[in-house]
Amino acid sequence: NAGVTQTPKFQVLKTGQSMTLQCAQDMNHEYMSWYRQDPGMGLRLIHYSVGAGITDQGEVPNGYNVSRSTTEDFPLRLLSAAPSQTSVYFCASSGTGVGSGNTIYFGEGSWLTVV
Amino acid sequence: SQKIEQNSEALNIQEGKTATLTCNYTNYSPAYLQWYRQDPGRGPVFLLLIRENEKEKRKERLKVTFDTTLKQSLFHITASQPADSATYLCALPNTGFQKLVFGTGTRLLVSP
Repeated sequence: NAGVTQTPKFQVLKTGQSMTLQCAQDMNHEYMSWYRQDPGMGLRLIHYSVGAGITDQGEVPNGYNVSRSTTEDFPLRLLSAAPSQTSVYFCASSGTGVGSGNTIYFGEGSWLTVV
Repeated sequence: SQKIEQNSEALNIQEGKTATLTCNYTNYSPAYLQWYRQDPGRGPVFLLLIRENEKEKRKERLKVTFDTTLKQSLFHITASQPADSATYLCALPNTGFQKLVFGTGTRLLVSP
């Protein structure tokens, strides 16, 4: 199994540009989420989804959009990139969500630099 | 405010010794707590989960304790090896929400 697959691995954007980070999982998981990881800040939740058609905001949602049209895919859109969005982004998935303690599986990360 | 605290300073130990990492939290009442390992340039990988009614959990050389009175979890690696060198993250659910909140992690360095 591929698990959680993120693309691209590395990206450099200019301020104001938009882009989409792709995330796909092949484990038929209902729950998917996006985190960003910054030095000294740890992993912070951006958006999450408990199933196709259902999304909600996490801790740091501003400047990001998500949609969940299929169980497998959960893309993260940066609407107008800012230097403050320079970070490492992780997509994660879990069977039926985090409420009961299901294991979260992470992708390998996407390194984004906004100049 | 809600906080999860892990020692930000790296823990340096010698091979064969027991490593003990700490996770403290405030203003949470978690039903469980998880520990993850993260290697440089990789995503976190799940290691262990301990529930609020469990005092201790073991998996091979790993042991986790959970004290809901002290609001603290300890993560032990016995007979540590250089391959155990990584950053270890604790995580717990935000009460009432489908959100897993992470500590900032503690870097463990095991020298031969």
